[in-house]
Amino acid sequence: AQTVTQSQPEMSVQEAETVTLSCTYDTSENNYYLFWYKQPPSRQMILVIRQEAYKQQNATENRFSVNFQKAAKSFSLKISDSQLGDTAMYFCAFRGADGLTFGKGTHLIIQP
Amino acid sequence: KAGVTQTPRYLIKTRGQQVTLSCSPISGHRSVSWYQQTPGQGLQFLFEYFSETQRNKGNFPGRFSGRQFSNSRSEMNVSTLELGDSALYLCASSHLEAGGRDTQYFGPGTRLTVL
Repeated sequence: AQTVTQSQPEMSVQEAETVTLSCTYDTSENNYYLFWYKQPPSRQMILVIRQEAYKQQNATENRFSVNFQKAAKSFSLKISDSQLGDTAMYFCAFRGADGLTFGKGTHLIIQP
Repeated sequence: KAGVTQTPRYLIKTRGQQVTLSCSPISGHRSVSWYQQTPGQGLQFLFEYFSETQRNKGNFPGRFSGRQFSNSRSEMNVSTLELGDSALYLCASSHLEAGGRDTQYFGPGTRLTVL
């Protein structure tokens, strides 16, 4: 079974700063996807970014980028120019053969 | 395209009752997955359906069951409700890609409270 670990339960940064959320995972699979999802207070789970394991290039979506280190089984999310609307729970997720496995989440607070 | 819809959004039941939750996927998506979210256990995978067949099942008791219809809509049922079943139940739909991987898009969830 896969495990996903997010070691930062909560983080707080000032608006416009850059913040990095950490995620590590453990798997014996070779074909998998990794995701970051955002869950604001509305509880709607929103896809932030996706990374296919077979791709060496790190995924980027506007202010969001990842640092994918396959050998180290590490998948961090960098948010640049953070905005108040980025305040939310962020979940790292692993998609292998057995569905999505989520980490416990990091509560990110953007301070004005 | 319309997103994933879930009904009802809120539900209050008493112990011992049963409940059915519904999920309509994004148009064209044939895969539907269900998750339970609680403060203590976090997000846990319940089951996944593709073309009316269960592909995967998480580690939940037999009281939790699901099905998928020919139009890809899915329902999950929980029988003999327990207090610990109180949770946010999330449904996600996807287009299953070659290799069995996908990107899942979530609905707003159904908040179930068991009294």
